[in-house]
Amino acid sequence: GAGVSQSPSNKVTEKGKDVELRCDPISGHTALYWYRQSLGQGLEFLIYFQGNSAPDKSGLPSDRFSAERTGGSVSTLTIQRTQQEDSAVYLCASSPPGLAGEETQYFGPGTRLLVL
Amino acid sequence: GESVGLHLPTLSVQEGDNSIINCAYSNSASDYFIWYKQESGKGPQFIIDIRSNMDKRQGQRVTVLLNKTVKHLSLQIAATQPGDSAVYFCAEMAWLGKLIFGQGTELSVKP
Repeated sequence: GAGVSQSPSNKVTEKGKDVELRCDPISGHTALYWYRQSLGQGLEFLIYFQGNSAPDKSGLPSDRFSAERTGGSVSTLTIQRTQQEDSAVYLCASSPPGLAGEETQYFGPGTRLLVL
Repeated sequence: GESVGLHLPTLSVQEGDNSIINCAYSNSASDYFIWYKQESGKGPQFIIDIRSNMDKRQGQRVTVLLNKTVKHLSLQIAATQPGDSAVYFCAEMAWLGKLIFGQGTELSVKP
């Protein structure tokens, strides 16, 4: 079946502009996660959704970052007033229903964001 | 604080040889660990997982070993193939689905 999809695949923006990144999870998956991967680095947790609610926002690096999920499906990560240090690959993952923290996360291909 | 780290940033092996990628974790309370493979330009791909009530788990050509005494995790790949070339990440489940990733080991397979 279809995996996690993300759009756009690449985004180039100017410093100070806002960007929106979209994630379509696997159908039926109730949990959705956002991670950030800087060049040559591991993945950094940003936020986690269970349904439409976000019980863990601890990873958001600043108040310029926000995320929402509607209808228990699509999620949007918004970065306001982008800075050059926001340049990274933003990865989305989803997992099927089950005990929290015990289900495998399946990742999308990521959105490569470059802030000039 | 919580951390998951890898002993070697790069590993080069001959095609057909076995590969062993190591990982150390610091949170003794963690009970779920995952190995991911990431090819260039792609998202991480699930390889194998293991829970803390197990010491070993085998998949197709891959084996994960967990040593809780020394908080060490390893991924063994049998008969390594060129298609195995990628960056391999270990990840530790902190809580509520939050994965803590190591920095990654780049595996290079020489023909």
